[in-house]
Amino acid sequence: EVQLVESGGGLVQPGGSLRLSCTTSGFTFSNFWLHWVRQAPGKGLVWVSRINSDGSSTNYADSVKGRFTISRDNAKNTLYLQMNSLRAEDTAVYYCARGTYCFDPWGQGTLVTVSS
Amino acid sequence: QSALTQPASVSESPGQSITISCTGTSSDVGSYNLVSWYQQHPGKAPKVMIYEVSKRPSGVSNRFSGSKSGNTASLTISGLQAEDEADYYCCSYAGSGTSAFGGGTKLTVL
Repeated sequence: EVQLVESGGGLVQPGGSLRLSCTTSGFTFSNFWLHWVRQAPGKGLVWVSRINSDGSSTNYADSVKGRFTISRDNAKNTLYLQMNSLRAEDTAVYYCARGTYCFDPWGQGTLVTVSS
Repeated sequence: QSALTQPASVSESPGQSITISCTGTSSDVGSYNLVSWYQQHPGKAPKVMIYEVSKRPSGVSNRFSGSKSGNTASLTISGLQAEDEADYYCCSYAGSGTSAFGGGTKLTVL
């Protein structure tokens, strides 16, 4: 069974940093592109970032460019999102998802709250 | 990177059909046959229902279908059932390695 499990969320002050992890199993991790998608409380889905299968290519939404860094460890079957200079508007559930142009499946999400 | 446009809400009776539109631009929906649709029940992770405009993943009911014309994609659900009540999101590849979601549509089955 393909599984993606996010972790690392929590409460952080504005300007702070947090690193999210997405641990996977049930598929050949190194063959797939991966994405981070977020959802603010009561709001819609927003694409955040993607990384190709070997980690050589990354892309970001304008709203996080320069502050967030996506990376992966193919030996550990794990995806990461390093989030720096966090703002209140970054408060959301962060999902990792597998796929190139279609996201399937998704993890259960981890909540990040940016507040003083 | 602009969000795609979806109606905020739609409603219909059980057994009827509903179509949800997703309007983008010539830079995203209009340029790529890479539109996907996701169903999200409250408190749950999204689930893909349609990919590459009209393809249905294994296990998804054939009551779900997708299409595209110009800059607008559509999701049609036929034979509405109570379990179809959920939020639906479209997504399109937007070039340069980025993707864009629609704002979401809340489907109510009356």
